[in-house]
Amino acid sequence: AQKVTQAQTEISVVEKEDVTLDCVYETRDTTYYLFWYKQPPSGELVFLIRRNSFDEQNEISGRYSWNFQKSTSSFNFTITASQVVDSAVYFCALSEEGTYKYIFGTGTRLKVLA
Amino acid sequence: DAGVIQSPRHEVTEMGQEVTLRCKPISGHNSLFWYRQTMMRGLELLIYFNNNVPIDDSGMPEDRFSAKMPNASFSTLKIQPSEPRDSAVYFCASSFPRYEQYFGPGTRLTVT
Repeated sequence: AQKVTQAQTEISVVEKEDVTLDCVYETRDTTYYLFWYKQPPSGELVFLIRRNSFDEQNEISGRYSWNFQKSTSSFNFTITASQVVDSAVYFCALSEEGTYKYIFGTGTRLKVLA
Repeated sequence: DAGVIQSPRHEVTEMGQEVTLRCKPISGHNSLFWYRQTMMRGLELLIYFNNNVPIDDSGMPEDRFSAKMPNASFSTLKIQPSEPRDSAVYFCASSFPRYEQYFGPGTRLTVT
């Protein structure tokens, strides 16, 4: 069965703190794709990253970094030196090879306080 | 490049009225998705089109909902008759097959 768990419902941090958003997934497939999306207060869903199951290299993009560990079925997202503009709901999603469907997690609401 | 375009951005209607939501996918994308987002149920996939053909409509809640994709650059989601429980944000997304989906800004529907 496919499942994505984002156990952190809401996180509050003070600006400039680092924060890690957890994502744990379940799948029986060996080929799959993982995604992170950001949903700011304005409501749109913004694509952040796509990672396939054969690529366990960590990714860094500016203040954002992602740690993919197949051994623990996790795809965690870290924001370094958080800013108020990072306040949003962040969704992790899973898609198995051969299917178009995304399995979304329930999202983590991040509040960055000035 | 223009992203996914949805209209209207906000719709307020009375129960029983017909509602039509519109979507223009990103040019070149041949997969199109309609989602509904509510606080209670999160993001739900309603229907998926590939090359303008509906592939999976198992997420459409009931016969009051219908979706069409007459060509590669336009899709509609219709609710007739609308009910208060249909109030939600409706997203359209498009992609190349097996690649990331790009979402439109959403249509916030309120049915009174």
